[in-house]
Formats: sequence, C-alpha cells, structure tokens
Amino acid sequence: KQEVTQIPAALSVPEGENLVLNCSFTDSAIYNLQWFRQDPGKGLTSLLLIQSSQREQTSGRLNASLDKSSGRSTLYIAASQPGDSATYLCAVNPNYGQNFVFGPGTRLSVLP
Amino acid sequence: GAGVSQSPSNKVTEKGKDVELRCDPISGHTALYWYRQSLGQGLEFLIYFQGNSAPDKSGLPSDRFSAERTGGSVSTLTIQRTQQEDSAVYLCASSLVGYSGNTIYFGEGSWLTVV
Repeated sequence: KQEVTQIPAALSVPEGENLVLNCSFTDSAIYNLQWFRQDPGKGLTSLLLIQSSQREQTSGRLNASLDKSSGRSTLYIAASQPGDSATYLCAVNPNYGQNFVFGPGTRLSVLP
Repeated sequence: GAGVSQSPSNKVTEKGKDVELRCDPISGHTALYWYRQSLGQGLEFLIYFQGNSAPDKSGLPSDRFSAERTGGSVSTLTIQRTQQEDSAVYLCASSLVGYSGNTIYFGEGSWLTVV
C-alpha cells in the first residue's frame, strides 16, 4: 500500500529565505507526483505536476524535483514571501490505482 | 464551468440526519474524485468515477456513505444517519482523464458539521 510522508510538519522562516519541503513515498510505481497548496478554509490549488519520466518541473519561484527510485520529491521555494504561507501537500498517482494518495502536508509560515 | 464547483459550502446538521453534497466538475473532465479532510488530518480518498466505468468505492468508510454521478457530470455524495465523526470538509476534484498524468483540480470543499 502506497504511503506518503512529508517533512517537516511545520516550518517557519523569515521573508526572503530559500526553503525546501520534502515528500517521501513508499512505492516507486507511480504515474506522477503533484504538489498542491492549501490556504486555510480553501480547497487545494495545483502547483506543479511531475510525470514519472521527469526529474523536475519549474514554475516561477517554485522548483519540484522527483527521484522515483528513492521515493522522494522536494519542493524548493526561492525568495519566500509572506503570501507563500499555506499548507503544502504532495500527492502521488499510483500505477495500480486510480486515486491520488496524499501526504499530511507541511504548514509553512513566512514571517515579514 | 471555469472550475470545480461544490455546494453547499457549509452545512450544519443534526446527528442522525441525512445530507447530500454536490459536485459539478470542470466541463469535459471525465474523472471525478471525492476526498475527505478532517481537522488537522490529511486527505482521505472516498470514491473515484471515470467516465461510464464502475466507480472505485474502496475508500468509503461505511455503508452510510454513497455517491453517484449522473450523466457523467454532476456527482452527489450522500451521508445517511450522520454521526459526529463525519464532521469534515468534503473535497471534490476532477481531471481530464484519470491516472494518465493529468492535473487534478479541486473545488473549495463542503464543510460539514454534525452537532
């Protein structure tokens, strides 16, 4: 059974810092991995989607990497801003199933 | 529509009552998912629809939960005889095609409180 974990559970950084969020999954048989952002009281917003054949994806200040063989992904946020404060979730789409399996999330606070 | 639409956005119900939650996916999306998120918890998969195929109901927590999708578009999640532990936000999502590498898009959720 696929399990997804995220470290750290919470992170607080001063504005302007670069930071890395980590995601680990137990089964490397995945179609893709997706990073989401969730603001309090809101749904999830997709940030980046990495296909299993890809190593990384970039969007603006965000860069996500995927090492499928080791079951790891990282989300790198450059020059963090207070508006980046949210919970960040990663999810994998297993080969053998049709539902996405989510991690518990990392709650990020960027202090002005 | 422009995005995944869910209704109601908030629902307070008495224990033992039935509730219906509605999801209107993005037009043209054949895959539809329901997830549940309890306070401070991760997302729990409930059910998945792909086109006209039989749905994957493996995540439904009990027989009090059911869902249907009419005409391959709108979906309704029904919870019968609600219990306090059913209190959560119920998130619906859709994608162009399931498990094929497409981005999944979420609605804002239906916040259910059972008192």
